[in-house]
Amino acid sequence: NAGVTQTPKFRILKIGQSMTLQCAQDMNHNYMYWYRQDPGMGLKLIYYSVGAGITDKGEVPNGYNVSRSTTEDFPLRLELAAPSQTSVYFCASSQRQGRGETQYFGPGTRLLVL
Amino acid sequence: GDSVTQMEGPVTLSEEAFLTINCTYTATGYPSLFWYVQYPGEGLQLLLKATKADDKGSNKGFEATYRKETTSFHLEKGSVQVSDSAVYFCALSDQNTGNQFYFGTGTSLTVIP
Repeated sequence: NAGVTQTPKFRILKIGQSMTLQCAQDMNHNYMYWYRQDPGMGLKLIYYSVGAGITDKGEVPNGYNVSRSTTEDFPLRLELAAPSQTSVYFCASSQRQGRGETQYFGPGTRLLVL
Repeated sequence: GDSVTQMEGPVTLSEEAFLTINCTYTATGYPSLFWYVQYPGEGLQLLLKATKADDKGSNKGFEATYRKETTSFHLEKGSVQVSDSAVYFCALSDQNTGNQFYFGTGTSLTVIP
């Protein structure tokens, strides 16, 4: 059971380039999330999904897109990278969204936009 | 809106010292409270949680009590080890906001032998 996996671990992008951050989970969880963590800040929710084909915006969605074609995968797309998107990105999943439900996190992707 | 405030770091302690990391919260509803830990190079892992007032979450010698009257969920451990060196995040989820998670900024702990 690998849990939540993310690729790549680290990436450097030039301003205006595009990339997709990959996230996969093998726990058959319905809910998946993307967060970003800036230095000295808490995690901020970018997008989330409650199941295949259903996504919704979180607190900081601008500059990102997501899709959820399968239960397992939840990729995050950056179309035109900007220095403000330099951050560490975490993917997470949970079985439900009920009270006290635990979220399980991947190891993170560190992105540097220059 | 909902938010979590936790103690600024970094914190450096000697092995076997007592640890307290303060966490207070603001929530519109009746939240569940969590402590997550992030070891170097890894993702966040759940350390403990509490879902109602006066509940005590505990795991690996760590504990935290849900105090509704002081809106706090302070993390404690009686005797830290070098292996406890990590970043600790306090978080809440609130049913009033669709159980969205709100995280504190994290507190880095280094335990020296």
